[in-house]
Amino acid sequence: ETGVTQSPTHLIKTRGQQVTLRCSSQSGHNTVSWYQQALGQGPQFIFQYYREEENGRGNFPPRFSGLQFPNYSSELNVNALELDDSALYLCASSLLEYQETQYFGPGTRLLVL
Amino acid sequence: QKEVEQDPGPLSVPEGAIVSLNCTYSNSAFQYFMWYRQYSRKGPELLMYTYSSGNKEDGRFTAQVDKSSKYISLFIRDSQPSDSATYLCAMTPGYSSASKIIFGSGTRLSIRP
Repeated sequence: ETGVTQSPTHLIKTRGQQVTLRCSSQSGHNTVSWYQQALGQGPQFIFQYYREEENGRGNFPPRFSGLQFPNYSSELNVNALELDDSALYLCASSLLEYQETQYFGPGTRLLVL
Repeated sequence: QKEVEQDPGPLSVPEGAIVSLNCTYSNSAFQYFMWYRQYSRKGPELLMYTYSSGNKEDGRFTAQVDKSSKYISLFIRDSQPSDSATYLCAMTPGYSSASKIIFGSGTRLSIRP
């Protein structure tokens, strides 16, 4: 076990709704990254937070936003859900200086109908 | 063209065989190279990482990086049915304010008993 947890495990939403996904990082890790993994694809980088500030963003629109809290937890918020947002959402925690050793949570599977 | 290319498979080999998994990449800035294993409906699990060129061995697993050819490999010796999973290569330029990890699309591996 990596010590990284995510909730909920599964979620069903309808198009246009908003969703909040949660992640609890491994204790001591100051960096959390969020990824979207479509079926049959590798994870795609959404954004990264370091000490509660956004520290890099991938090619995702502004309706994807995040927060990181002092207690090592973080959130991914997605507004105005689209059908293509259906995917496995993964968070990964690490130390900023050692991003080659980031540890993933089990993911939240989101289905948008 | 994707930054990281990985043959999706599926690859099916008999138990005990040597497995070779490969990725090619285009960005010469990549310095850290990782291999993850992902079981169905689970988050990726870090197997190994290497820095720059060379080999690294860990038990039955060997990772090789050839930066001149922009080619990385993972070898699995004495393969077991429990090795059946999707294997993802990943790479990053390293620590920086905008660094992010780029994943391949994954190779699905099946070990036949």
